[in-house]
Amino acid sequence: LAKTTQPISMDSYEGQEVNITCSHNNIATNDYITWYQQFPSQGPRFIIQGYKTKVTNEVASLFIPADRKSSTLSLPRVSLSDTAVYYCLVVRDSGYALNFGKGTSLLVTP
Amino acid sequence: DTGVSQDPRHKITKRGQNVTFRCDPISEHNRLYWYRQTLGQGPEFLTYFQNEAQLEKSRLLSDRFSAERPKGSFSTLEIQRTEQGDSAMYLCASSLDGIGNSPLHFGNGTRLTVT
Repeated sequence: LAKTTQPISMDSYEGQEVNITCSHNNIATNDYITWYQQFPSQGPRFIIQGYKTKVTNEVASLFIPADRKSSTLSLPRVSLSDTAVYYCLVVRDSGYALNFGKGTSLLVTP
Repeated sequence: DTGVSQDPRHKITKRGQNVTFRCDPISEHNRLYWYRQTLGQGPEFLTYFQNEAQLEKSRLLSDRFSAERPKGSFSTLEIQRTEQGDSAMYLCASSLDGIGNSPLHFGNGTRLTVT
């Protein structure tokens, strides 16, 4: 499965838009890009998943360029409660995630 | 849908003891997964079931680890002869099978401390 690379940490102020980019150079044709959020002492929570172009839900947007070698999770107008670790995963269709990596630790401050 | 439930939330045990954790998945989910998470790391896959069949167990950390899902509903993860290195959060997740790439729904884990 494609290895992913994402920043270890990011800082933002409340109300700003946060973009977390993940690279996955070796993504395969039948791989999906999936993002999870994790708060301390909780299990990860699914945020969004995409295959190509743009996906938007009530929480976030996911932008995937045509070559699919990277993706960007966009969180609009973050609040303090968005402080969490965000994991980018590449998952084979009907497969499962082996390891989540270290994720990106996002800190939102007032 | 009450989500994935794990019991207990915390477990403290002495080295050498056996421990068993339980996971109740979302009722209509036929896939169930176990992950382990240590401090500062993301979850690490251990094993998974499709209904009652354990389809992948090569990543269980040692032969001290075993998992069951006897009737395709709840699952248990047992660690025999615990070691201090087993201290971690053990996470269970469930998903639907055969519907594209169904996301994982995680429980809040069982935190194991081996003294």
